[in-house]
Amino acid sequence: QKEVEQDPGPLSVPEGAIVSLNCTYSNSAFQYFMWYRQYSRKGPELLMYTYSSGNKEDGRFTAQVDKSSKYISLFIRDSQPSDSATYLCAMSAYSSASKIIFGSGTRLSIRP
Amino acid sequence: DTGVSQDPRHKITKRGQNVTFRCDPISEHNRLYWYRQTLGQGPEFLTYFQNEAQLEKSRLLSDRFSAERPKGSFSTLEIQRTEQGDSAMYLCASSLGPTSGSTDTQYFGPGTRLTVL
Repeated sequence: QKEVEQDPGPLSVPEGAIVSLNCTYSNSAFQYFMWYRQYSRKGPELLMYTYSSGNKEDGRFTAQVDKSSKYISLFIRDSQPSDSATYLCAMSAYSSASKIIFGSGTRLSIRP
Repeated sequence: DTGVSQDPRHKITKRGQNVTFRCDPISEHNRLYWYRQTLGQGPEFLTYFQNEAQLEKSRLLSDRFSAERPKGSFSTLEIQRTEQGDSAMYLCASSLGPTSGSTDTQYFGPGTRLTVL
């Protein structure tokens, strides 16, 4: 079993819809949770960062962490075609970890 | 552009050949990381440097792989005697390193796509 599980999709939704992306994990030592966005043939870029449990909001993006269920989510409101990309969850046991464990990514397509 | 840069962006080679990739991190960043990403998967950690010291290597990094960061600035990743299984995107990232009260955010470069024929 992988440490981090993520549905690969693809997920296709109409423009303006609310998108929900999710990951589950098995390592209870993880405390730092991240979401990266990766456009085709580009490197990942950090979208959201959350420590421990709770919610964090940044514009149209909301990240949620439920450590008791080992489940994290990213919500995108008012989705735009420019949001079409692969979304990678990632997590780490330490704030200055030498490595991050990534999920396999969910490919998202927003239809105009 | 002051982001992480990687060169070349694409490399096609024949099995058995050696290849070398270069990464230039963001100038004030002390840490530099190498990852490998295959199609449909997330990046997998290979190794990282704190300044010029290589502090950790993944078990994925076989003895055909070697990485250097000679002056604590740019880094090179060399693969000797390439195999078809080495075909992947090789990503470099850099970060400031741990600072009090702040997260150590990694910034990724665009990657080098390697194809081994």
